[in-house]
Amino acid sequence: SAVISQKPSRDICQRGTSLTIQCQVDSQVTMMFWYRQQPGQSLTLIATANQGSEATYESGFVIDKFPISRPNLTFSTLTVSNMSPEDSSIYLCSGTPSSYNEQFFGPGTRLTVL
Amino acid sequence: EDKVVQSPLSLVVHEGDTVTLNCSYEVTNFRSLLWYKQEKKAPTFLFMLTSSGIEKKSGRLSSILDKKELFSILNITATQTGDSAIYLCAVDPVGGNKLVFGAGTILRVKS
Repeated sequence: SAVISQKPSRDICQRGTSLTIQCQVDSQVTMMFWYRQQPGQSLTLIATANQGSEATYESGFVIDKFPISRPNLTFSTLTVSNMSPEDSSIYLCSGTPSSYNEQFFGPGTRLTVL
Repeated sequence: EDKVVQSPLSLVVHEGDTVTLNCSYEVTNFRSLLWYKQEKKAPTFLFMLTSSGIEKKSGRLSSILDKKELFSILNITATQTGDSAIYLCAVDPVGGNKLVFGAGTILRVKS
């Protein structure tokens, strides 16, 4: 199994600012993903982070709002841009060694936007 | 649209009880179904099921998949307070690991 860490673990931000969340995996993983979990709701996939190329976004999520980087097989970042209170959520990254393996999740970043 | 439905939405039991959590799905393609336990923030992996009728077991937890009827159950026997959590069911509909999650079942075990 992979061990995934995220930074920061939580943050309180002002409306209109941006926050970059980092995700580090202790071993190389083929696939990395970013999810959002809004209060009282389940996980929703934001995008697949592709190494060395642009991320693949799910319906309702766009690159301008959630730019993602993945420079190598163990690291990815998600930026939440021009934040509004509706972006208050837990953001989780996950990784999997291959498409045939289970996904492992990071501890999440709890974001509050005032 | 791919959909995963879990029931019940919440459940309160006493220590020692046995619980069964349900997960049904509607997806255009199916590769696997996964169960996770979420206590604070990070969902922790429990089981991945790909074949019908084969029970997966880990201690007091077990799970089985029925691909004909499109559902899975998660059983927890002799529940403990430490089992209190949200249990999430997710389906990988196309083999690309883009999981579709259900809303979860909130389990509370009272001592």
